[in-house]
Amino acid sequence: AQSVTQLGSHVSVSEGALVLLRCNYSSSVPPYLFWYVQYPNQGLQLLLKYTTGATLVKGINGFEAEFKKSETSFHLTKPSAHMSDAAEYFCAVTFTTDSWGKFQFGAGTQVVVTP
Amino acid sequence: NAGVMQNPRHLVRRRGQEARLRCSPMKGHSHVYWYRQLPEEGLKFMVYLQKENIIDESGMPKERFSAEFPKEGPSILRIQQVVRGDSAAYFCASSPDEGELFFGEGSRLTVL
Repeated sequence: AQSVTQLGSHVSVSEGALVLLRCNYSSSVPPYLFWYVQYPNQGLQLLLKYTTGATLVKGINGFEAEFKKSETSFHLTKPSAHMSDAAEYFCAVTFTTDSWGKFQFGAGTQVVVTP
Repeated sequence: NAGVMQNPRHLVRRRGQEARLRCSPMKGHSHVYWYRQLPEEGLKFMVYLQKENIIDESGMPKERFSAEFPKEGPSILRIQQVVRGDSAAYFCASSPDEGELFFGEGSRLTVL
């Protein structure tokens, strides 16, 4: 079965420290992978996406993610956390065999940034 | 260009009543998607619509839920005879063809 898993429902990082959010998927067909951010009482905003091509993807706000097919992973990183990065982050995946926009979302990772 | 507009932002219903959630996609977007977010969970796909057509409703509960995207006007997600388990945030997204999904701010339904 096709699925997506985010490891860690809560992550606490110090301001200026590395942010690493983990996402793994399982699939027998090529995935399209996304990271979204959600601020309280707001909708989701796209951070970055991987569809084809370069496996290291750069997004907004200094985030990047690398698609590793051999590890079935798409981890999100940011070298230096900022207070404004405090939010909930969702990994999402859709598959070439599914309707476009039929995303499977991970359960989310809440990021807390401490001074 | 206004974003995806959802209303109402908050809706309170008693068990057995009907809930109607509206979504106006971004200008020029012909694809609309509805997702449900239960507390402490990620978003779950419900339905994908294009104008006057339901393309994929594989995530819709078999009973009480329906969705439409008429030729004119917003997309509507309708929940009949609501139960407490329907309490959730309902998000609409739109896209221009098969492109990036833009999400609205959600409609939060509370069933008393």
